[in-house]
Amino acid sequence: SAVISQKPSRDICQRGTSLTIQCQVDSQVTMMFWYRQQPGQSLTLIATANQGSEATYESGFVIDKFPISRPNLTFSTLTVSNMSPEDSSIYLCSVGGTGSYNEQFFGPGTRLIVL
Amino acid sequence: AQTVTQSQPEMSVQEAETVTLSCTYDTSESNYYLFWYKQPPSRQMILVIRQEAYKQQNATENRFSVNFQKAAKSFSLKISDSQLGDTAMYFCAFMKQAGTYKYIFGTGTRLKVLA
Repeated sequence: SAVISQKPSRDICQRGTSLTIQCQVDSQVTMMFWYRQQPGQSLTLIATANQGSEATYESGFVIDKFPISRPNLTFSTLTVSNMSPEDSSIYLCSVGGTGSYNEQFFGPGTRLIVL
Repeated sequence: AQTVTQSQPEMSVQEAETVTLSCTYDTSESNYYLFWYKQPPSRQMILVIRQEAYKQQNATENRFSVNFQKAAKSFSLKISDSQLGDTAMYFCAFMKQAGTYKYIFGTGTRLKVLA
């Protein structure tokens, strides 16, 4: 399994500002995913981040609001832009296609509170 | 489109007892994977158990086992000898065998183990 770290683990931000979340993996992986999880809810996929190409966004998520970078096979960032209180959530990154069942392994998440 | 349903939003079980969490799914695919993840209050998503659809034998990992009924599209998780550390949200997930490695998550079941 892959070991994944995220920074920051938690942040409190003012509305209108932006926050960049980093995701680092201890091995090279092809597929990386970014999720949002609102309190008490399930995970919602924001986008799939592939190295060397533009991220693929799910319905309801746009690049202007959630720009993603994937500069290499071990690192990705997600920016939450022009934040509002509705963006308060846990943001998780994961890697896929690495286990024997191509299962996903998750980072510890970033808890974002927007005031 | 695939869907995953977890019909039990909350459950509780006494320590050392056995509990079963239900998961049903809908798909027209014949080859796919199913997973159970645990998310304790620390919010780290932990892979509990995985099942490949073409394998008849139910997966088992220590105290965790599944009852996989392919025809009924059912994938329940049984936790034996429940421990306080099993208190968590449990998510069922579906993934097509071939494709983008994206998951379809259920809405989750909050399990509380009582002392």
